[in-house]
Amino acid sequence: SQKIEQNSEALNIQEGKTATLTCNYTNYSPAYLQWYRQDPGRGPVFLLLIRENEKEKRKERLKVTFDTTLKQSLFHITASQPADSATYLCALEADNFNKFYFGSGTKLNVKP
Amino acid sequence: EPEVTQTPSHQVTQMGQEVILRCVPISNHLYFYWYRQILGQKVEFLVSFYNNEISEKSEIFDDQFSVERPDGSNFTLKIRSTKLEDSAMYFCASNPGQGANVLTFGAGSRLTVL
Repeated sequence: SQKIEQNSEALNIQEGKTATLTCNYTNYSPAYLQWYRQDPGRGPVFLLLIRENEKEKRKERLKVTFDTTLKQSLFHITASQPADSATYLCALEADNFNKFYFGSGTKLNVKP
Repeated sequence: EPEVTQTPSHQVTQMGQEVILRCVPISNHLYFYWYRQILGQKVEFLVSFYNNEISEKSEIFDDQFSVERPDGSNFTLKIRSTKLEDSAMYFCASNPGQGANVLTFGAGSRLTVL
């Protein structure tokens, strides 16, 4: 069956460093992959989308890579700030808009 | 910025009672979804809705659940006879479709079943 794996352990880093989060998937051939941010008690908020024919996508301090051979995406936040502390979810679409599946998320803690 | 609105923000109910959670998706979006998140767990797909009918549902979405779009704006999730394990945050989301495959989520409705 389809599976999306994210590191369930929290990632603790110092302010100013680069945070790198990993999303691995199996039994999917997604046309694209998405990353969302979720704050406690709130709904996920879309951050970035990367298509299968794109190796890398950037938006301000965020960078996403997508390796369809390894079935992996990496999500980087450069020059991290305490305000970046949140849970980050990766999501894959199945069946052409009809379902989006989410990983369990990785909690990022950025310490001042 | 257009947003998805959900009501109520928190509902407490007794086991066996019916609950209706309401959502107003973004007006020009074509696809609508309900997800749930049990405390500390992942965001789980329940159901998707397109062109006034269910397009996909998960194994969680059993006969106790139903969805409706009674008018041009509201999208509701009904749980007929709530169980303790239905306690969760329920998120509504919408997607414009047409190649812009991004979900916009509401703030969620927290359901507590006693």
